[in-house]
Amino acid sequence: AQSVTQPDIHITVSEGASLELRCNYSYGATPYLFWYVQSPGQGLQLLLKYFSGDTLVQGIKGFEAEFKRSQSSFNLRKPSVHWSDAAEYFCAVGAWQAGTALIFGKGTTLSVSS
Amino acid sequence: DAGVIQSPRHEVTEMGQEVTLRCKPISGHDYLFWYRQTMMQGLELLVYFNNKAVMDDSGMPKDRFSAKMPNASFSTLKIQPSEPRDSAVYFCASSLGQGGNQPQHFGDGTRLSIL
Repeated sequence: AQSVTQPDIHITVSEGASLELRCNYSYGATPYLFWYVQSPGQGLQLLLKYFSGDTLVQGIKGFEAEFKRSQSSFNLRKPSVHWSDAAEYFCAVGAWQAGTALIFGKGTTLSVSS
Repeated sequence: DAGVIQSPRHEVTEMGQEVTLRCKPISGHDYLFWYRQTMMQGLELLVYFNNKAVMDDSGMPKDRFSAKMPNASFSTLKIQPSEPRDSAVYFCASSLGQGGNQPQHFGDGTRLSIL
């Protein structure tokens, strides 16, 4: 069975600084990987996904993530953070088998300081 | 295109009352998921459906919770009797095709408060 770990519960970044949120997964085969963002009072919104191919994937809102098989990681990055990026971020992993559900990490809360 | 629609957005009720949460998935999506989110437990998967059939309800307390999907465009999550520990935000999500490798699309949630 697959699992996801987001090691950082809370991160604070200055506006304009770069951001990296960590995600480690456990799965025996090639995983399907996702990053979601949740703003206060809202549902989860898909930022980007990795299925296969290029290990660097681009998403919405200027985010990108890199799949590193050797490190079992799928870290989310943004070169310059805006105050509106303050939210909770979830990493999720899925299996190729039909009938299975995504497994979500516990989330990382991002605060942006001015 | 309309996203996942949940109702009500907020519900406040007294302990012991029956609560019904509703969800309309994105048209054409054949997977539907119910989650519960709390500060302490984070995001928990309660139950999910494929083509209206329950695939896994192991995360759902069976004594008081029940979930149904009578047709492809509607699902309910019912709590009876409700307890204060059920206070949480409940999310519905839907996805297309094989659930494990497709992104899930979330509704805005129902914030439930049990007094």
